[in-house]
Amino acid sequence: QQQVKQSPQSLIVQKGGISIINCAYENTAFDYFPWYQQFPGKGPALLIAIRPDVSEKKEGRFTISFNKSAKQFSLHIMDSQPGDSATYFCAARSIRTGFQKLVFGTGTRLLVSP
Amino acid sequence: DADVTQTPRNRITKTGKRIMLECSQTKGHDRMYWYRQDPGLGLRLIYYSFDVKDINKGEISDGYSVSRQAQAKFSLSLESAIPNQTALYFCATSDSGLARTSEQFFGPGTRLTVL
Repeated sequence: QQQVKQSPQSLIVQKGGISIINCAYENTAFDYFPWYQQFPGKGPALLIAIRPDVSEKKEGRFTISFNKSAKQFSLHIMDSQPGDSATYFCAARSIRTGFQKLVFGTGTRLLVSP
Repeated sequence: DADVTQTPRNRITKTGKRIMLECSQTKGHDRMYWYRQDPGLGLRLIYYSFDVKDINKGEISDGYSVSRQAQAKFSLSLESAIPNQTALYFCATSDSGLARTSEQFFGPGTRLTVL
């Protein structure tokens, strides 16, 4: 059972365009929602994260939008660049686990064409 | 960034063989994790360790075992490898002192192929 559902599985965006990746969850105990970025041959690395008490967080060209009532959150990459081509994972944590365990989505492979 | 290292980086083995994947970290973190990555399935937690004396099963621990030899070392073993254990394996660490962020730091991965 996938606790965090991620879509699309793959995405092709032209340079300068907006990339949007969506995630949905059911567990209302989740209290922290990070996004990880993975380049080929590398391990994932934290990109940006949000807590459910805010609806949006922006860091440079990367923005997380959070809709608590719909139990959905999304990553927006503005002015997408070829260097953004990577696999993106959304994740969620429940404070009730008390252990920093993360539940990951299935990943989105983003290709930004020049 | 070599804070979290994994050995070997690539391994091809045969069905039934015992395999050990090793992870070492110099970040001084107390928490360590093993994940496997499969296309379309994302990252799934195999085992995690709070400290040297604390080992816990993740969502897909069957067929795997782990050993936390020291705070900096966490090994994953496949007692009798089978083809569906062919995957990319990642070790990760986190600092309990940074519980608020839950940030995990991943190693470069081990690509395991079981024939």
